[in-house]
Amino acid sequence: KAGVTQTPRYLIKTRGQQVTLSCSPISGHRSVSWYQQTPGQGLQFLFEYFSETQRNKGNFPGRFSGRQFSNSRSEMNVSTLELGDSALYLCASSGGLAGSYNEQFFGPGTRLTVL
Amino acid sequence: TQLLEQSPQFLSIQEGENLTVYCNSSSVFSSLQWYRQEPGEGPVLLVTVVTGGEVKKLKRLTFQFGDARKDSSLHITAAQPGDTGLYLCAGARNQGGKLIFGQGTELSVKP
Repeated sequence: KAGVTQTPRYLIKTRGQQVTLSCSPISGHRSVSWYQQTPGQGLQFLFEYFSETQRNKGNFPGRFSGRQFSNSRSEMNVSTLELGDSALYLCASSGGLAGSYNEQFFGPGTRLTVL
Repeated sequence: TQLLEQSPQFLSIQEGENLTVYCNSSSVFSSLQWYRQEPGEGPVLLVTVVTGGEVKKLKRLTFQFGDARKDSSLHITAAQPGDTGLYLCAGARNQGGKLIFGQGTELSVKP
C-alpha cells in the first residue's frame, strides 16, 4: 500500500506571496490532517479534514486554509506569506472512523522557506 | 501552552546504554502515541497506548501509559546507533485527527 505523498518536497517563496501544498493520503483513508513543524514550536496542529469537511482546527491565523476533495486528497494554502511561516509542513492521514485511536501516518513533508 | 511536556529534550549516550524518555501532562488523553522522526522525513508511528497502566514492547523499546492516562514513558534497552532520531509523544483527546505533540527528544547514540 502506498504511503502518504506530499508535493512539492521543497519550496522557496518570498514574503507576501501565497503557496499551495498538496497531500495524497493512504488509499482508503478519509481523514487528512496538517501540521507545522518548526525548531522552536515543534509540531503544531493546523487542521483536519474528513469527508471534505473541516473537522478540527488549530490556533493558526486565517491566512492558513485547506480543503479536501472527494478522492480524499487535500491541499493547504497559505496566503500573504511571512518569514515566520518557514517550516516543514506535514500531512498525515488516518482512517478517521469512530473507535479508532487517531493513529496518524505522516508524509515526508514540504519544506517551505520564505525569504 | 505546552500540554505535553517531554523530557529530556536532548540525550547523547554510548551504544549499549539504557535510556528513558518521559512524556507528562496534566490532561487526560484517550490515547497516546509515540513516533520517531529522522531528518528530512515525517514522523513514523511506533506504538499507540490506550489503556491506563498499559505496557507495550517493541523489540528493545518498552512503552508505558500511566494509570491516569496523563503520562507515558519510552524505555530503550541497549541502545544502538540506529536508534538515533527525534522521538515524539502525541496525545489524542477525542475522535478526529488532532494530536497534541510533545517538544520531542533528540536522541544520539554513539558507537
